[in-house]
Amino acid sequence: EVQLVESGGGLVQPGRSLRLSCRVSGFTFGDYSVTWVRQAPGRGLEWVALSRRKDHGGTAQYAASVKGRFTISRDESKNIAYLHMNSLETADTAVYYCCRQTEFGSFYWFDSWGQGTLVSVSS
Amino acid sequence: QSLLTQPPSMSGAPGQRVTISCTGSSSNIGAGYGVNWYRQLPGTAPRLVIYAGTNRPSGVPDRFSGSISGTSASLAIAGLQAEDEADYYCQSFDLGLDWLFGGGTHLTVL
Repeated sequence: EVQLVESGGGLVQPGRSLRLSCRVSGFTFGDYSVTWVRQAPGRGLEWVALSRRKDHGGTAQYAASVKGRFTISRDESKNIAYLHMNSLETADTAVYYCCRQTEFGSFYWFDSWGQGTLVSVSS
Repeated sequence: QSLLTQPPSMSGAPGQRVTISCTGSSSNIGAGYGVNWYRQLPGTAPRLVIYAGTNRPSGVPDRFSGSISGTSASLAIAGLQAEDEADYYCQSFDLGLDWLFGGGTHLTVL
């Protein structure tokens, strides 16, 4: 069974840092890209960052709202993806979901989601 | 404001068919990147119900169907059931903005 389990959320002051983890199981981590999606309280979904699988370049990509502050990484020996969040702002308050991304040609979709972890940025 | 536009809310009676629209542009849906649909029940993570425009993942009932026409897409739910009451989001890839979600549609089963 494919599983993604996020952890690391919590209450943090503006300007501080936090690292989220996403432990995956049930599939070969290296065969998939992984993405983070967030949802602010009462709001819709927002794509945050992508870590491409190695045979697709192994590169990272970020939404404009987090570029320069967030860093996505992956440790395939541990089956964990990370989201390092620096210079946090109140607007970053959200539930953060880790997702497995499947690609086929020019089509991309998020076929498995974790349960999410809540990040609250407040003084 | 999302570049994929969905109606904020819709409703239908049990047994009816409802269709949720998602309007994009030539830089996303119209560019051939396909559309995916997710259902989110209250307090839970989203779940994929349609991918690449028309395909259902394993376990999704055939009451759910998707279509694409030009720069728009639709999710149709036939034989509406109480358990279908949820938020539905469309999603695509955009040439300038990467991965986009629609603003979401709250579906109420009357």
